[in-house]
Amino acid sequence: AQSVSQHNHHVILSEAASLELGCNYSYGGTVNLFWYVQYPGQHLQLLLKYFSGDPLVKGIKGFEAEFIKSKFSFNLRKPSVQWSDTAEYFCAVNPYSGNTPLVFGKGTRLSVIA
Amino acid sequence: KAGVTQTPRYLIKTRGQQVTLSCSPISGHRSVSWYQQTPGQGLQFLFEYFSETQRNKGNFPGRFSGRQFSNSRSEMNVSTLELGDSALYLCASRGGDGANVLTFGAGSRLTVL
Repeated sequence: AQSVSQHNHHVILSEAASLELGCNYSYGGTVNLFWYVQYPGQHLQLLLKYFSGDPLVKGIKGFEAEFIKSKFSFNLRKPSVQWSDTAEYFCAVNPYSGNTPLVFGKGTRLSVIA
Repeated sequence: KAGVTQTPRYLIKTRGQQVTLSCSPISGHRSVSWYQQTPGQGLQFLFEYFSETQRNKGNFPGRFSGRQFSNSRSEMNVSTLELGDSALYLCASRGGDGANVLTFGAGSRLTVL
């Protein structure tokens, strides 16, 4: 069965610090990869996705993620975080073809302090 | 386009009761998925319905069930509630054309006392 690991449970950063959240998955075939974000009191929304092509994908609000196939990783990055980035971030994966469900990691809570 | 709508948003039940949650997907979306979100466990997949048929099922006991209607609206039911069923239940829809992007609703927060 597929699984997704997010290495950090809670990350605390100061404003303007750089962010990298780790995500590794276990699936041997071609995958679709996603990062979702849940701001306090709001519903989950898509941050960015990777289906194929350039392994460096850009999402909303200055976020980007890099797919490294050899490492089964899809880490999320942002060069300079803002207080408004405080949220919970979820990595998710499903196989490229077929109608299998999206499998989520347990999430990383990001707290950005002024 | 209206988003995914879930009702009720909040509810409180006691152990042993049953609960029904409703989800209306984005217009035109035929797939509806349900997830349970709890602190520390993230999102755990319950089931997915497509064109009124259960297409995928997660690893939850039989107390958790669902169905989908011809207008793609979906309901999930939890019978004989336990304290551990307290969670945010999320519904998500996606297009039936192979698109794999889920759009989530705001969730139904269930508290079991």
